[in-house]
Amino acid sequence: IAGITQAPTSQILAAGRRMTLRCTQDMRHNAMYWYRQDLGLGLRLIHYSNTAGTTGKGEVPDGYSVSRANTDDFPLTLASAVPSQTSVYFCASSEQVGDYGYTFGSGTRLTVV
Amino acid sequence: GEDVEQSLFLSVREGDSSVINCTYTDSSSTYLYWYKQEPGAGLQLLTYIFSNMDMKQDQRLTVLLNKKDKHLSLRIADTQTGDSAIYFCAESMADKLIFGTGTRLQVFP
Repeated sequence: IAGITQAPTSQILAAGRRMTLRCTQDMRHNAMYWYRQDLGLGLRLIHYSNTAGTTGKGEVPDGYSVSRANTDDFPLTLASAVPSQTSVYFCASSEQVGDYGYTFGSGTRLTVV
Repeated sequence: GEDVEQSLFLSVREGDSSVINCTYTDSSSTYLYWYKQEPGAGLQLLTYIFSNMDMKQDQRLTVLLNKKDKHLSLRIADTQTGDSAIYFCAESMADKLIFGTGTRLQVFP
């Protein structure tokens, strides 16, 4: 089934540790996005990529980095996790920039202790 | 930053209509969207409306847009227990979607 695969599904992480959340899509979408979802705050954009080889910062980029070496993969890295990064992380994609029918993954629930 | 605002909770009886409201900030948004998130899942696009439209109807869903007041609403007719979910409105801004805080709809028998 075409779509977005995120891994892991959930993770408990010690503060200070490095963690990479994986996101892979098989729809050949050009644009990809990382959001975090927090109660009462909705979804906030962390980083995005309009096409392979390019990335940009969203609303809340601090403490996170991304790369886009190819069309399919868009990993999100927490270099040194802090408790405020406890959240549910969603990866999304759209066919082109400006095409807003986003497809979302099922999310990664991350707890930093 | 930009704020897209929604009330956090809505509770309705099965069979009644639900109305979920949203206010947005960017009058230049070309499209406005409603997404649905079921428990433990990602968001799914429910419907959208082009900014030059006032209303869009799709089966049990009716979207109303008041551009003057920057107000968007989603009406669900004959609400069912399967409609229980979190509903997000979103506006397009600078080639990206800005989401609201989400409204949790609870449907009781």
